[in-house]
Amino acid sequence: DTGVSQDPRHKITKRGQNVTFRCDPISEHNRLYWYRQTLGQGPEFLTYFQNEAQLEKSRLLSDRFSAERPKGSFSTLEIQRTEQGDSAMYLCASSASTVTQYFGPGTRLTVL
Amino acid sequence: ELKVEQNPLFLSMQEGKNYTIYCNYSTTSDRLYWYRQDPGKSLESLFVLLSNGAVKQEGRLMASLDTKARLSTLHITAAVHDLSATYFCAVGDTNAGKSTFGDGTTLTVKP
Repeated sequence: DTGVSQDPRHKITKRGQNVTFRCDPISEHNRLYWYRQTLGQGPEFLTYFQNEAQLEKSRLLSDRFSAERPKGSFSTLEIQRTEQGDSAMYLCASSASTVTQYFGPGTRLTVL
Repeated sequence: ELKVEQNPLFLSMQEGKNYTIYCNYSTTSDRLYWYRQDPGKSLESLFVLLSNGAVKQEGRLMASLDTKARLSTLHITAAVHDLSATYFCAVGDTNAGKSTFGDGTTLTVKP
């Protein structure tokens, strides 16, 4: 499978714990995006990388959130001191241009 | 701030019927996307519309874009049960490539 992959697919954690998610984009896609989707809503943009540079961050991305893409390939999204409001599906997408984004299967986070 | 509004948010229709989902957006953009999402799954790209007057069709679904009216439509022809899903429109940012999504239209097709 050469699509976007995300790991883990599901994560259950206790409030206050840190979690890290990984996204592997389609090979040679230089753009990578993180979105968050809560139940009944459309995905909300979190942040965007072009190669290893983080070019834009949404104001939704509080200080507890950090994202990296160290070598311009895979990316990680870390949430520190998780809160119940962080429970959501975290989606990663990649693209080779500004036109079409290909979404991964998502990581579903549940904060107890 | 770009706002994307879809209507209706919920749609229940009988097999064989036709219907249209509307997507309005608040600022100029030259790219409009339609996605399908099944429960618990990720997003599947359906259409990418890049110019005023663009029309694309795939099976029973047809999407169109009017950039002057800031309106896109997704028309469903002779609905079948397999089309039951949530459909999202999204407006693209020309510079960054990020997308702003509507809240989705949950379609249920009944026999």
